[in-house]
Amino acid sequence: DAGITQSPRHKVTETGTPVTLRCHQTENHRYMYWYRQDPGHGLRLIHYSYGVKDTDKGEVSDGYSVSRSKTEDFLLTLESATSSQTSVYFCAISATSGGLDTQYFGPGTRLTVL
Amino acid sequence: QKEVEQNSGPLSVPEGAIASLNCTYSDRGSQSFFWYRQYSGKSPELIMSIYSNGDKEDGRFTAQLNKASQYVSLLIRDSQPSDSATYLCAVSGGFKTIFGAGTRLFVKA
Repeated sequence: DAGITQSPRHKVTETGTPVTLRCHQTENHRYMYWYRQDPGHGLRLIHYSYGVKDTDKGEVSDGYSVSRSKTEDFLLTLESATSSQTSVYFCAISATSGGLDTQYFGPGTRLTVL
Repeated sequence: QKEVEQNSGPLSVPEGAIASLNCTYSDRGSQSFFWYRQYSGKSPELIMSIYSNGDKEDGRFTAQLNKASQYVSLLIRDSQPSDSATYLCAVSGGFKTIFGAGTRLFVKA
């Protein structure tokens, strides 16, 4: 357990509504990530952060924005949710393990957009 | 585009057998390699990491790396029904990691 929590764990929303997912970590890790996981695609990086107010895009960032105002919190926002954003969202942190930068995952948020 | 390829499976093995999971990657600059296990409805959990050519053993698990062939494998000895899960191969060149889509393993009791 890397001290990562995600909220909410499950959410059902309607097309066009804004949605914010929260990732919270307790161990002061610098790097944080948001992934989505869909059948046949594996984990795909949406956005990542390398410090407070420092973020960058991943491979599937369209339709998503992020913010990190505190080290412990990384927020993912869907400004206007679409059905294609129905997915399982995982937050991760990077920590050094055995000399390697290794990613550890939160429990996930299952988002359904109707 | 950097890619990590895995056979989606399912790979079915009898209890007590060796399960062999394979992964290839496209970026020759990759430095670190990982295997994660993911049970249905759960998040991925790290089971092995490796960064140098050869074998690395941890209990019933052995990770094998061949950088010349851009190939990573995971062997699970004495497979148990509790090993039934999806196994994700991951490849990293720094602070960003690319994940394969995973191989589903089914261990028959």
